[in-house]
Amino acid sequence: GAGVSQSPRYKVTKRGQDVTLRCDPISSHATLYWYQQALGQGPEFLTYFNYEAQPDKSGLPSDRFSAERPEGSISTLTIQRTEQRDSAMYRCASSLTSGSIGEQFFGPGTRLTVL
Amino acid sequence: GQSLEQPSEVTAVEGAIVQINCTYQTSGFYGLSWYQQHDGGAPTFLSYNALDGLEETGRFSSFLSRSDSYGYLLLQELQMKDSASYFCASFSGNTPLVFGKGTRLSVIA
Repeated sequence: GAGVSQSPRYKVTKRGQDVTLRCDPISSHATLYWYQQALGQGPEFLTYFNYEAQPDKSGLPSDRFSAERPEGSISTLTIQRTEQRDSAMYRCASSLTSGSIGEQFFGPGTRLTVL
Repeated sequence: GQSLEQPSEVTAVEGAIVQINCTYQTSGFYGLSWYQQHDGGAPTFLSYNALDGLEETGRFSSFLSRSDSYGYLLLQELQMKDSASYFCASFSGNTPLVFGKGTRLSVIA
């Protein structure tokens, strides 16, 4: 696609429910990143993919968080048994390759609210 | 580990020049990027420096000094639409991009 897209744009859920967020990167981009961004702060790294491989998931806050990119294009971020502290903006970004990590293109984000 | 320091707020007059500084502590430093983010919007890539010196892209320039672990973003001919948050971000060869806390730029008439 022309840019990075994410869905849903807003998600409100109750504590304890599972949520799945979706990211559709720029079609020619091999590398996809997930970030969490709190209001007034910079994005914080969660995990990234090179095609379908997931070399680094060190930023995932707990084992309730998981991500996949099974066909090397669209990716999903799943949060199980959501907690109120999971409320944040979740952003996806992509870059042409892992070597162009400095130049990332961000999607509009998904605002997650856990009640 | 990695950490970046940048001023939290800067105010400048329309038409003027403003410099936003960033110091970093990054093991195995590879490069420094700058992103702009308007309120309610997504971060947008501005520039990237891997080598010492100045990179110019229109009204925006970015500078890096690897020996001083320091960089800055220079915005010239400020316009009201430049009011936004600006983030520096660093990475090493095997670490993800780490963002600073951001500098909120207010351009006033």
